[in-house]
Amino acid sequence: GAGVSQTPSNKVTEKGKYVELRCDPISGHTALYWYRQSLGQGPEFLIYFQGTGAADDSGLPNDRFFAVRPEGSVSTLKIQRTERGDSAVYLCASSFLFNSPLHFGNGTRLTVT
Amino acid sequence: KQEVTQIPAALSVPEGENLVLNCSFTDSAIYNLQWFRQDPGKGLTSLLLIQSSQREQTSGRLNASLDKSSGRSTLYIAASQPGDSATYLCAVTGSGTASKLTFGTGTRLQVTL
Repeated sequence: GAGVSQTPSNKVTEKGKYVELRCDPISGHTALYWYRQSLGQGPEFLIYFQGTGAADDSGLPNDRFFAVRPEGSVSTLKIQRTERGDSAVYLCASSFLFNSPLHFGNGTRLTVT
Repeated sequence: KQEVTQIPAALSVPEGENLVLNCSFTDSAIYNLQWFRQDPGKGLTSLLLIQSSQREQTSGRLNASLDKSSGRSTLYIAASQPGDSATYLCAVTGSGTASKLTFGTGTRLQVTL
């Protein structure tokens, strides 16, 4: 596909469970970002990858959140021991270079019950 | 800490009107500023990116200006159409954190027939 792909589009999980959210960036884009958007708010930065390494993870709210990008393309955001406050839309974006326009996926809507 | 404010929060205009959306940011030490469009349930689409050394960018009916010293940007939409109805988000990248976008909460625009 031509755009950033995120799966699943919706995820409902129970409090305390573990979830994985997947992002498939645009081919050839070296930079990958995760953002979180709560209802009525702008997206908030979580983590930025340049290639395989997390160049900036300062937005991760706590150690329950972790993200990987082992081969420099697909990324997975992992949330352990989910809490109701984790409910939000998780957006992934990629760009050719870190200073290029970002291309966002449609997001994964996570609901923790 | 960078803060981005967008005014108005919501706007309704009749088709054909020209309109201006406003964005202000507290720290003028930015690397670039981007305007995005978000449709309900969708990700963000980058509309215009202005580097800190630039004053404006144009794309079709859209024109974005940047006054870095005063911490302001405007998005001008000419001859609005119902298809322009969406939420418009402004985001800045700090010069010391070029990977991280700080978003405003958006302006929800409705263009009526």
